[in-house]
Amino acid sequence: DVKVTQSSRYLVKRTGEKVFLECVQDMDHENMFWYRQDPGLGLRLIYFSYDVKMKEKGDIPEGYSVSREKKERFSLILESASTNQTSMYLCASSSPLGLDSPLHFGNGTRLTVT
Amino acid sequence: KNEVEQSPQNLTAQEGEFITINCSYSVGISALHWLQQHPGGGIVSLFMLSSGKKKHGRLIATINIQEKHSSLHITASHPRDSAVYICAVRSMYSGGGADGLTFGKGTHLIIQP
Repeated sequence: DVKVTQSSRYLVKRTGEKVFLECVQDMDHENMFWYRQDPGLGLRLIYFSYDVKMKEKGDIPEGYSVSREKKERFSLILESASTNQTSMYLCASSSPLGLDSPLHFGNGTRLTVT
Repeated sequence: KNEVEQSPQNLTAQEGEFITINCSYSVGISALHWLQQHPGGGIVSLFMLSSGKKKHGRLIATINIQEKHSSLHITASHPRDSAVYICAVRSMYSGGGADGLTFGKGTHLIIQP
């Protein structure tokens, strides 16, 4: 079974802090994704990566950056956290077997910025 | 942009009932995903389909490409089926998000004992 592990389930940070959200997958997947989920808005893509050191902006990248130094790890960075970044953050991975391989999600990190 | 609509938004049913959740989209797709999210946040991929019908245990997913519509059915529903069910589509041409996927807002299902 594919396992996608997010380092924290709950996180509380102060405005202006630098925040790191870590995601690790154990299935050698090329593709990794960061989404945020807000009530009434559904899942929105922040950044994704198709390979080590590669990154692509998603639909809402402002205020975020990412790092993919190793294939199994994809980190989301909030350079200076703001209250409008309070949200549920979900990491996902998929294999490159065609565009439509299933997504495997982590359990999510609920981030509160005060 | 592909518009994905799910109905109903909220559904409360009694244990044992047959459940149907619907997903419609506006632009041709290459695949449709059904996802399940339990309270606490983790999301599980239930089905990925591009035509016809798939079955896994008490869950059945169907898709009608011509009508741009998919349904997720749960037979003999149980309280443990209570979750948010999310439909996501990959547009055949441009029309999805940056990763090609467009997500519905989800259907919140509660099965009462």
